[in-house]
Order: sequence, then C-alpha cells, then structure tokens
Amino acid sequence: DGGITQSPKYLFRKEGQNVTLSCEQNLNHDAMYWYRQDPGQGLRLIYYSQIVNDFQKGDIAEGYSVSREKKESFPLTVTSAQKNPTAFYLCASSIRPGLWSGELFFGEGSRLTVL
Amino acid sequence: SQQGEEDPQALSIQEGENATMNCSYKTSINNLQWYRQNSGRGLVHLILIRSNEREKHSGRLRVTLDTSKKSSSLLITASRAADTASYFCATGGSQGNLIFGKGTKLSVKP
Repeated sequence: DGGITQSPKYLFRKEGQNVTLSCEQNLNHDAMYWYRQDPGQGLRLIYYSQIVNDFQKGDIAEGYSVSREKKESFPLTVTSAQKNPTAFYLCASSIRPGLWSGELFFGEGSRLTVL
Repeated sequence: SQQGEEDPQALSIQEGENATMNCSYKTSINNLQWYRQNSGRGLVHLILIRSNEREKHSGRLRVTLDTSKKSSSLLITASRAADTASYFCATGGSQGNLIFGKGTKLSVKP
C-alpha cells in the first residue's frame, strides 16, 4: 500500500539533545513537507522540499534542519536550538511541487516531548 | 498572516443531524481545501474546491465557496459518531504555501 510512514510515533528528549524524525513515502511524490501542530492550533510549515537535494524554509524553520538526499525520504532534525520543541510533527507529500497544486497526503505524525 | 479561520471552534451535535462549519480567508485564492483529523492522527484530505467553482459534493459532504465574501462552508449531512474529528480548511499563501486554520472540533453523540 502506498503512503507516508513517520517514525517514531512517540519520542522523548532531554533538553539539549538533537533528535531526528523520519519520514518516508512510496507515493513517488516530488514534494514533501514538515508541519508542526500545537494543541488547539492549526498547522505551521517548518520546511518543504520540491525536489531532491533542494529545500526551503517555512514559517518556523529556526531550530530545525532537514535533508532531501532521496526522493522517498525527508528527515527532520529538531536541534537543541529549538526553544519549545514539544509538539506533534506531521510530514506530508504532494504529487507536484507547489503547495497550491493540490492535495497533501499526510503521515500519522510523531509526538515529541521534551523532558 | 494569510490564514483560513474556521467557525465555530467547537460543535456538538446528535447523530443524524447536519453539521455546518465555516471558513473565512483574507486574500484571493487558487483553491480551498478541507481536511479531517482524528485525535492524535494525521490529516486526511476531504475535498478541494477551485476558485471558479461555487459548490462541490462528495458523498455526505457539501462544500460551498463564495469568493466575494472570502468564505467557504463544509456541510456534513446525516452525521455519524464516526464523523467526530477536527476539520481544517486550507488556502494558498502568498509564498505558494498551504496555510491551515485552527480547525473546528466536531463531536457527534450517538
């Protein structure tokens, strides 16, 4: 079955540690995205990538880093520079680049808690 | 920031009733999308309506778009307990990004 797989589903981190969230898709989609969701809030865009080896900052990129070495994979690293990292992180993809072009397909999310 | 805002923030109804959620946005759009999110899960795309469309149907879902008022509504007819979820509208931002509202939390009681 085609889809987006995020792992881990739950992650606990001590302050000062970097953590990496995995996102893999087998939909053959060109574009991939990372969103952050806080309780009772909408989604805020962290980073997006329209093509392999290229990515752009979203609205809240500070304290995060990404890579796009393969079409299928778009990992997100939450660094120690992120002041308030506790949140629900969602990865998404779309068939074509350009977020206006159509629907996004989402993974099931990763919940990060900083202890 | 350019953003869709859903109204109401929360809605509680009985099974069988219709549920209507509204979305207002600030700038011109290419399309408007509605998504559903079950608690603790990812979002699922429900329907996309283009700026030149006024109404669209998908099963028990009916979406309308009024570009003159910069608003859209999502109607779920004959609601079921399984429709309990949060519903988000999303519109295109000036940077080509998709901006989500804060959502309407729908509770359908059996």
